Order: sequence, then structure tokens, then C-alpha cells
Amino acid sequence: DVKVTQSSRYLVKRTGEKVFLECVQDMDHENMFWYRQDPGLGLRLIYFSYDVKMKEKGDIPEGYSVSREKKERFSLILESASTNQTSMYLCASSIRDRDNSPLHFGNGTRLTVT
Amino acid sequence: AQRVTQPEKLLSVFKGAPVELKCNYSYSGSPELFWYVQYSRQRLQLLLRHISRESIKGFTADLNKGETSFHLKKPFAQEEDSAMYYCALSGSGGSNYKLTFGKGTLLTVNP
Repeated sequence: DVKVTQSSRYLVKRTGEKVFLECVQDMDHENMFWYRQDPGLGLRLIYFSYDVKMKEKGDIPEGYSVSREKKERFSLILESASTNQTSMYLCASSIRDRDNSPLHFGNGTRLTVT
Repeated sequence: AQRVTQPEKLLSVFKGAPVELKCNYSYSGSPELFWYVQYSRQRLQLLLRHISRESIKGFTADLNKGETSFHLKKPFAQEEDSAMYYCALSGSGGSNYKLTFGKGTLLTVNP
């Protein structure tokens, strides 16, 4: 079974801090994604990556960056955290070569910026 | 641009009653539609996709291109169906890079 692991379940950071959210998957998936999940807004794609060192902006990339140095790991970086980045962050992975293969999600990281 | 609309934020039914979660989409090409579900304290997971034309946990969904809808239905709701449900759309061509999610419907099945 695919395992997508997000390093922290809960995180509290101060405004202006640099924040790293880590995600690791163990099924050799090419695609990895970062979403944020907010009540009433659903899931919104921040960034995705379809290969090592490759990245593409999603719908709401402002204030975020990502890093994919190894196939199994995809990091989300908040360069200078702000209170409007308080949210639930979901990482996901999928196989690239299968048409519309399902996304496998991690448990999420609930980030609070104070 | 692709868009997914779930008109109901909340839906409450009694156990044994039929349930229908609505999903409408906007897309100029040939879409791929999905339903994802998140049970309490569990991760988001795929429930079903239209190309499979299968029934999962008693749920079915039919793609209606004329009405641009992909409603999720179950004839007899169970308490364990209580969860957040998201409809999602991917453009044709097989890429799920641009999977667009609706805002979700929280289903509560009362005993």
C-alpha cells in the first residue's frame, strides 16, 4: 500500500519565520503535489512536481516555494510565514505514466502562524 | 478554464435514506471526473472515478455530459458514510497535474 508521510501533524510558527513542510512517499511515484485545504474553499493546488528537480506552479503559488532533490521527497517552503498561511497542508503523490492515476494523500500538516 | 461546483456545503440525511451529492463541472474538452472522500481523522482517498463505472461502498456516479454533472448517489445511506466528499476534474489527455477540486460537501448520516 502506498504510504505518503508528512513529517509533522501539527506545527505552530511565528509570522516571518521560514517554514519547511516535508513529505516522503515510498512507492517510487513520479508526481508529487502540495495542496492547502481550507473550510469552504476545498483543496487548492500550490505546486506540483513530475520529476526530480522539476516543479510547476499550481493555482496559488504566491508565498511558497518547493524543493524536489530526491524522487521520494517533496518539500514545501514558506519563505516568510504569514497569518493567512494558517491552513491544513496536504501532500499527495501519483504515478505519471498511468492515465489519471489516483492521488495518494498524506495525513496532512495543520500549520498555525501566529 | 476548468471548474467544479458542489452546491451544497452541508448535507444531512437519516440512515437508510437515499443520498445524492451534487457535482457540476465546466470544461471545454473531454473531462475525467472523480470523487474523493475524507472520513473523520483519516486521509483523503479516492472513492471512485467515472471511467471505472464501478460501485464503491454502494456509491455510484454517472457522468452526464449534457448536464455537465457527476452526481454521487447511494440508495441507502449508512452512518459510516458520514464524511467530507470532494468532486474533482482532470482534463483529457491523461494528465492529472491539473486536478481541480470542488469545495466539498460534508455529509452527515443521522441514526
